[in-house]
Amino acid sequence: GAVVSQHPSWVICKSGTSVKIECRSLDFQATTMFWYRQFPKQSLMLMATSNEGSKATYEQGVEKDKFLINHASLTLSTLTVTSAHPEDSSFYICSARAMGYTQYFGPGTRLTVL
Amino acid sequence: GENVEQHPSTLSVQEGDSAVIKCTYSDSASNYFPWYKQELGKRPQLIIDIRSNVGEKKDQRIAVTLNKTAKHFSLHITETQPEDSAVYFCAVSKSGRVRFGAGTRLTVKP
Repeated sequence: GAVVSQHPSWVICKSGTSVKIECRSLDFQATTMFWYRQFPKQSLMLMATSNEGSKATYEQGVEKDKFLINHASLTLSTLTVTSAHPEDSSFYICSARAMGYTQYFGPGTRLTVL
Repeated sequence: GENVEQHPSTLSVQEGDSAVIKCTYSDSASNYFPWYKQELGKRPQLIIDIRSNVGEKKDQRIAVTLNKTAKHFSLHITETQPEDSAVYFCAVSKSGRVRFGAGTRLTVKP
């Protein structure tokens, strides 16, 4: 089956620093990747949709200057949380989709901002 | 935007009983309806999905029904087992963008 990886699996950083999270599709080419945020005991909230080679489309309420998304290739998308603050602490999950409907999720990255 | 409502938020059943989780959505142009199972601290796992041109789909103990007119779809799990305990999310997709329901915490008591 399709495999999506994320790196790192967890990260702790100081307030004000930036953190980059990578999402890779390992055995297929992802035309579209999605980034979600999930707070404890809550649902997944779609943050943005990224297509390879074009700018990401952000959901309403998500600051594009704070959550920088780059989708440089068909197998890699990155999310950079800039000037992170404690309220950004969350579980960030990416998913990747090829040509069909199915999305394959990465294992998630737990971000803790001190 | 799309509004997805999921009920119930928690569900407790005895092993062997059936469990039903329901979702409604607002955008009639939505065309893909997956269901995910998420265990604590892990990624969501697709368990079954249905497209808008199909009314029902079954995979062993799991089935999904879709009523496009009423804009609701349901997950049915029969002969539940303790390992079915998890959080289940319905989702609705249009043009590839997926919106998730709030989730249902299913507990199967042995």
